[in-house]
Amino acid sequence: NAGVTQTPKFQVLKTGQSMTLQCAQDMNHNSMYWYRQDPGMGLRLIYYSASEGTTDKGEVPNGYNVSRLNKREFSLRLESAAPSQTSVYFCASSVGDRRITEAFFGQGTRLTVV
Amino acid sequence: AQSVTQLGSHVSVSEGALVLLRCNYSSSVPPYLFWYVQYPNQGLQLLLKYTTGATLVKGINGFEAEFKKSETSFHLTKPSAHMSDAAEYFCAVSRWNYGQNFVFGPGTRLSVLP
Repeated sequence: NAGVTQTPKFQVLKTGQSMTLQCAQDMNHNSMYWYRQDPGMGLRLIYYSASEGTTDKGEVPNGYNVSRLNKREFSLRLESAAPSQTSVYFCASSVGDRRITEAFFGQGTRLTVV
Repeated sequence: AQSVTQLGSHVSVSEGALVLLRCNYSSSVPPYLFWYVQYPNQGLQLLLKYTTGATLVKGINGFEAEFKKSETSFHLTKPSAHMSDAAEYFCAVSRWNYGQNFVFGPGTRLSVLP
């Protein structure tokens, strides 16, 4: 059982380049999330999808777009990367059926923008 | 709005000593509370959670936490630290609001000294 799978694990981009971070979960969860982790700031929510077909902005959405492709997959796109987007990105999922349950996390994508 | 504070960005203990990591939250409604652990270059793994019922919650690896509503706290403890406990620990709150939202604290890095 893979859980939450993120690709790629590492990426180096030049300023202005674009890329898409992929995330897939095999737990039949309704809700999916994208977070970024920066030293001393914990995890900050970029976007989330409460259920298939819906997406909403989180705390730090500027510079990002998301697509909930289907129930399994939730991608994060950087259209024009900036050095401020250097971070570790985590995808997570939760059951999302009005029961409060834990979030399950992927292994992360370490992104460097030069 | 919910928020989470973790007192001490870095805590050092000797092997065999008590581990105490502090978490306080602010929430306008009773929250659900979680502790996660992150080992280097890995994703977040659930240690324990409080949703309803008993306020003393036991988790994996000998950790436990007590929900104290009057103090708005959810401190994490372990009677005897092991070298393998060295990691970063995150406290999080969650509630249902058009989907399940998680808010994470800034994290506490635990070092265990021989």
